[in-house]
Amino acid sequence: DIQMTQSPSSLSASVGDRVTITCRASQTISDYLNWYQQKPGKAPNLLIFAASSLRRGVPSRFSGSGSGTDFTLTINSLQPEDFATYFCQQSYSTPRTFGQGTKVEIK
Amino acid sequence: EVQLVESGGDLVKPGGSLRLSCAASGFIFRDAWMNWVRQAPGKGLEWVGHIKSKTDGGTTDYAAPVKGRFTISRDDSKNTVFLQMNSLHIEDTAVYYCSTVDRGFCSGGSCYSWFAHWGQGTLVAVSS
Repeated sequence: DIQMTQSPSSLSASVGDRVTITCRASQTISDYLNWYQQKPGKAPNLLIFAASSLRRGVPSRFSGSGSGTDFTLTINSLQPEDFATYFCQQSYSTPRTFGQGTKVEIK
Repeated sequence: EVQLVESGGDLVKPGGSLRLSCAASGFIFRDAWMNWVRQAPGKGLEWVGHIKSKTDGGTTDYAAPVKGRFTISRDDSKNTVFLQMNSLHIEDTAVYYCSTVDRGFCSGGSCYSWFAHWGQGTLVAVSS
């Protein structure tokens, strides 16, 4: 199975900050990598698919990059509604696996 | 508008069984691959398994912790996907989400896929 490791596990940031979350795969997955946002008590919400493709309707302050084993989710100018937990997920092979999550908290 | 509504979550004793349902609307269900993902209290997301459309063979894949105990099936006439859970363990306690498996370009045996639409989740609690 492909292991997905996110860092950091949590971070504190202020409104307007630029935030970067990284995700590393245990083997190469090309760009078969998705990012989700989850708020407490809610289902996850897809933000980015295929490493860098922004889902329609997702604000452009969200961006993804990377290929192979190392990936990044960047949030430019953090907004109050962005405080949430973010998960990466690989779709290169079955079983599909998720990172452990990164919680973005208010500083 | 795509809607997914899970039901069937309950409190069950270890070793017991439960059947979850996910009713879908707003898209052509028979063409869709469907997914189950679970989240234990305070924990991350764990993929449970998926079922392909009948056009793509209707086959299933499962995560190792549930293989042999859980079965995913579908009724395209009712736009519903099911998760039959047998021999439940305490560690199966979680919110169970169904989702669509949206697929894109395929290359070299791998297809881009992502989980675009999710239900609200249903809680399964396994406890004596």
